[in-house]
Amino acid sequence: RKEVEQDPGPFNVPEGATVAFNCTYSNSASQSFFWYRQDCRKEPKLLMSVYSSGNEDGRFTAQLNRASQYISLLIRDSKLSDSATYLCVVPPNDYKLSFGAGTTVTVRA
Amino acid sequence: GAVVSQHPSRVICKSGTSVKIECRSLDFQATTMFWYRQFPKQSLMLMATSNEGSKATYEQGVEKDKFLINHASLTLSTLTVTSAHPEDSSFYICSASPGAGQPQHFGDGTRLSIL
Repeated sequence: RKEVEQDPGPFNVPEGATVAFNCTYSNSASQSFFWYRQDCRKEPKLLMSVYSSGNEDGRFTAQLNRASQYISLLIRDSKLSDSATYLCVVPPNDYKLSFGAGTTVTVRA
Repeated sequence: GAVVSQHPSRVICKSGTSVKIECRSLDFQATTMFWYRQFPKQSLMLMATSNEGSKATYEQGVEKDKFLINHASLTLSTLTVTSAHPEDSSFYICSASPGAGQPQHFGDGTRLSIL
């Protein structure tokens, strides 16, 4: 089993829609979780950290489910500019980096 | 916020040339940095973990003699693609984190094209 797995998508949604997707992780000792977005031909950029209690940043909501070992990202009121690949990154305690293959989201007009 | 600088951003070279890419953490020290490669329309792939003052740890399938990593200081790691060939053409990215539990910050990436 891969350390981090994501649904690759693509998720094709109209503007204004809500889209959500998950990322599962295998290391139950993981303490930190992050969502990044990567635009075509660019480096990944930090979108948001994921806190135990869940957190929201504008139209983006991140949740952590430790029991089932997954994190989720929800995007409300999708904009065209939200079209990107979303990566989840899970850095375990030993510094070895684990990340998913990315979930592609395409928002259409 | 934490910044990671990568240089050069674009390289076009003839086959057989060795290319050095630098990754610098500008406002924090990093004992560990990571090097990735990404081919068009594919996922980011971790190549190696660069460890300050010791040997890098390479992922399975990555040739350590082909991709030389040097992490001589707490703010600089270099990746040298030796005797590069067209199949080495790719987008190379580095990342570093200010500390355990903190997010990785990625460099701008280096687009390498070998003719």
